[in-house]
Amino acid sequence: DIQMTQSPSSLSASVGDRVTITCRASQGISNYLAWFQQKPGKAPKSLIYAASSLQSGVPSKFSGSGSGTDFTLTISSLQPEDFATYYCQQYNSYPPSFGQGTKLEIK
Amino acid sequence: EVQLLESGGGLVQPGGSLRLSCAASGFTFSSYAMSWVRQAPGKGLEWVSAISGSGGSTYYADSVKGRFTISRDNSKNTLYLQMNSLRAEDTAVYYCAKTATTVTTLDAFDIWGQGTMVTVSS
Repeated sequence: DIQMTQSPSSLSASVGDRVTITCRASQGISNYLAWFQQKPGKAPKSLIYAASSLQSGVPSKFSGSGSGTDFTLTISSLQPEDFATYYCQQYNSYPPSFGQGTKLEIK
Repeated sequence: EVQLLESGGGLVQPGGSLRLSCAASGFTFSSYAMSWVRQAPGKGLEWVSAISGSGGSTYYADSVKGRFTISRDNSKNTLYLQMNSLRAEDTAVYYCAKTATTVTTLDAFDIWGQGTMVTVSS
């Protein structure tokens, strides 16, 4: 099974900041990598698929990059609604697996 | 509008059974693979099971294999998860999720339901 590791596990930032979250796969997954945002008590929301493609309706302040084993999610100009937990997920092979999550908090 | 609405969660004793449903609308249900993903209280996301659009192929996490059964009724636009021999560690919010394309069963998710809570406790 492929293990997904996110760093950091938590991150404090201020409104207006730009932040980057990293996700590493235990083996190569090409670009079969997705990112999700989850707010407390809510369902996950899909942000990015194929490592760098935005889901419909997702603002361009979110961007993804990477291929193989190393990936990043960058969020620019943080707004209050962006503070949430972010998960990466590989869908290169079964079982699809998620990172442990990165909690983005307001500083 | 594409929507997924789960139901069927509740409190069940260890060893008991429960069937979850996910009603889909706003898209051609039979064309898309679907998955169940769960989240234990305060924990991360865990993929549970997937099924192809036709229902002919199914996949399970090792943690539920032999106890859970995924199925779908394309005439009713509904996805199911039959959960037997439930354990305390199955306690979680269960989400259904739609794959983004019709090309393959293993694909990115684009739409998630709101979730249904399953509590396994005596």
